[in-house]
Amino acid sequence: DGGITQSPKYLFRKEGQNVTLSCEQNLNHDAMYWYRQDPGQGLRLIYYSQIVNDFQKGDIAEGYSVSREKKESFPLTVTSAQKNPTAFYLCASSAQTTGNSPLHFGNGTRLTVT
Amino acid sequence: GENVEQHPSTLSVQEGDSAVIKCTYSDSASNYFPWYKQELGKGPQLIIDIRSNVGEKKDQRIAVTLNKTAKHFSLHITETQPEDSAVYFCAASRGGSYIPTFGRGTSLIVHP
Repeated sequence: DGGITQSPKYLFRKEGQNVTLSCEQNLNHDAMYWYRQDPGQGLRLIYYSQIVNDFQKGDIAEGYSVSREKKESFPLTVTSAQKNPTAFYLCASSAQTTGNSPLHFGNGTRLTVT
Repeated sequence: GENVEQHPSTLSVQEGDSAVIKCTYSDSASNYFPWYKQELGKGPQLIIDIRSNVGEKKDQRIAVTLNKTAKHFSLHITETQPEDSAVYFCAASRGGSYIPTFGRGTSLIVHP
């Protein structure tokens, strides 16, 4: 089955540590995205990538970093500079970079930082 | 940039009733309007979408209508069932390299 896989489902870290969230897709999609979801806040775009070796900041990129070395993979690092990292993180991909195809989402990683 | 407003934020209905969620958008160049359903602890999944050359689209109990002049689109769910309970997101996007803009979501609760 084709799909988008996020791991792990739950992640716990101590404050001050960097943590990397995994996102892999086997849909052969060019575009990939990272969203953060907080209660009542909807989906906020962190970073997106429309092609390998290129990515762009979204609305709330501060304290996060990404890489896109392979088409299938778009890992997100939550750095210690992120002031409030506890949240539900969603990765998505889409077939086209034109904005006219739907996003396919993974089932998220819930990060808790204490 | 694009701005998408979604209402209501919470909608509570009895099983069998209809539910309507409304979204407005600001960019007249937007031409693609998907709706996503997010169940608890999962990622959003596409349930229906509509393009700007169409005014209405149906898929069994769900339908979406689009009014380009007024720049609003709506999701209609008929004969609601408890399994329809979820958070629903609308989105708007246009061609080129533009990223979709999401509404803030509607929590639909269907009481048995």
